[in-house]
Amino acid sequence: AQTVTQSQPEMSVQEAETVTLSCTYDTSENNYYLFWYKQPPSRQMILVIRQEAYKQQNATENRFSVNFQKAAKSFSLKISDSQLGDTAMYFCAFMSWDYGQNFVFGPGTRLSVLP
Amino acid sequence: DGGITQSPKYLFRKEGQNVTLSCEQNLNHDAMYWYRQDPGQGLRLIYYSQIVNDFQKGDIAEGYSVSREKKESFPLTVTSAQKNPTAFYLCASRFLKNSPLHFGNGTRLTVT
Repeated sequence: AQTVTQSQPEMSVQEAETVTLSCTYDTSENNYYLFWYKQPPSRQMILVIRQEAYKQQNATENRFSVNFQKAAKSFSLKISDSQLGDTAMYFCAFMSWDYGQNFVFGPGTRLSVLP
Repeated sequence: DGGITQSPKYLFRKEGQNVTLSCEQNLNHDAMYWYRQDPGQGLRLIYYSQIVNDFQKGDIAEGYSVSREKKESFPLTVTSAQKNPTAFYLCASRFLKNSPLHFGNGTRLTVT
C-alpha cells in the first residue's frame, strides 16, 4: 500500500520570502501522479500543482514549483514570494496510475505567512 | 458555473440518529468520493463510486452508507453505528483516467 509522509506539521515564513514544504511517499509502482492541495481557513480544498511521475521536468505554476526526486521518492513544494493568502494547510497526495486510481493523502503541513 | 455542492454547511444531530449529507456535482464527472477529515490528520476515504449504481468501501467505511442512483449525486448517510461521527466531511469528484480531484466546500457534522 502507498503511504505519504509530511514531516513538518507546522511552518511559518515571512511575507515575500520563499518556503519549501516536504513530502515523501512510498510505492512500488512506476507510474503515478503526485499533487499538492491547499486548504485555506475556508476549508475549501484547492489544487495547487500536479506532477506526472514519468516526466522528469519539475512542474511549475506561477509562484509554486516542485522538486520531484523519483529515486528518492520525494516531492517538495516551493512557494516563492509568499503572500498572506498562502496561509493554509497543504496536503501532498499520491494517485496510482493503474490500480483503482484512488488518492492517498499525507497528514498536512500548516503554513503561516507572517506580515 | 460548474462545481460540487455540499449541503448543509453545518449539521447538528443527536447521538443515535442517522443523518444524510448531500453531494451534487454538475461537472459531468464519472467518479465521486467521500472523505473524512479530523484535526491533525489527512483525508481518509470513506466510500467512492466510479459509475452509477456501483460503489466501493474506502479505508473507514464502517458506520457509513452511500448510494449512487444518478451520476450527479452521491449522498452519504452517517448511521448510529458510526462510533465517532463528529468530523468535517468532504465530497469530491473527477473524471476517470488520470485527472485530479475536485472538492466541494464540505459539511461540518456535530453529533452530541
